Amino acid sequence: GAVVSQHPSWVICKSGTSVKIECRSLDFQATTMFWYRQFPKQSLMLMATSNEGSKATYEQGVEKDKFLINHASLTLSTLTVTSAHPEDSSFYICSARAPRRGGIGYGYTFGSGTRLTVV
Amino acid sequence: AQTVTQSQPEMSVQEAETVTLSCTYDTSENNYYLFWYKQPPSRQMILVIRQEAYKQQNATENRFSVNFQKAAKSFSLKISDSQLGDTAMYFCAFMSGYGGSQGNLIFGKGTKLSVKP
Repeated sequence: GAVVSQHPSWVICKSGTSVKIECRSLDFQATTMFWYRQFPKQSLMLMATSNEGSKATYEQGVEKDKFLINHASLTLSTLTVTSAHPEDSSFYICSARAPRRGGIGYGYTFGSGTRLTVV
Repeated sequence: AQTVTQSQPEMSVQEAETVTLSCTYDTSENNYYLFWYKQPPSRQMILVIRQEAYKQQNATENRFSVNFQKAAKSFSLKISDSQLGDTAMYFCAFMSGYGGSQGNLIFGKGTKLSVKP
């Protein structure tokens, strides 16, 4: 249980175009999803927190107009990289807080990630 | 602000041996959770083990166990009987217990573990 499906797994796009990444919770409702960015051989950096039905909360230094987040339902959050440039090339991962079991936090479950290459 | 420090960028261990990965953290809170995640070459993040700060007993999951020292703010991971499939990046992570469903994970920089045959 507690699976998060992320698509696409990889995408190559031309500079200046936009790319949408989807993240779906398959067997639970995720009121909150988190979007991370990971550069090669580095840790995950939180970009934004996505809340169903409201505006996302962005971390300091993340351009909200470049990285558009939409959390339209309890099972779907999307990240759109607008006007992509080569420096946006990275690995993007979504995560959701999985449901509690027996009163104990079940932890987080992660999507499989999206490798974005902007050429 | 909370921070998580992993001081070992890379480690290696022989198959079937035991290895310990270090993690320290800084927080002024008393209620929090700690996690170890594994990221193999596929880059899928996999939960290895978690620890609730209010529990004194160290968490164990099969070959994986932690040494949680709350006063020292230390949370090391011990992998026993290492297997080739344990080769991965390991991330230590902190979550505040006061964040509710919105609480996010704060990650350390990771330790690259190589298990050698």
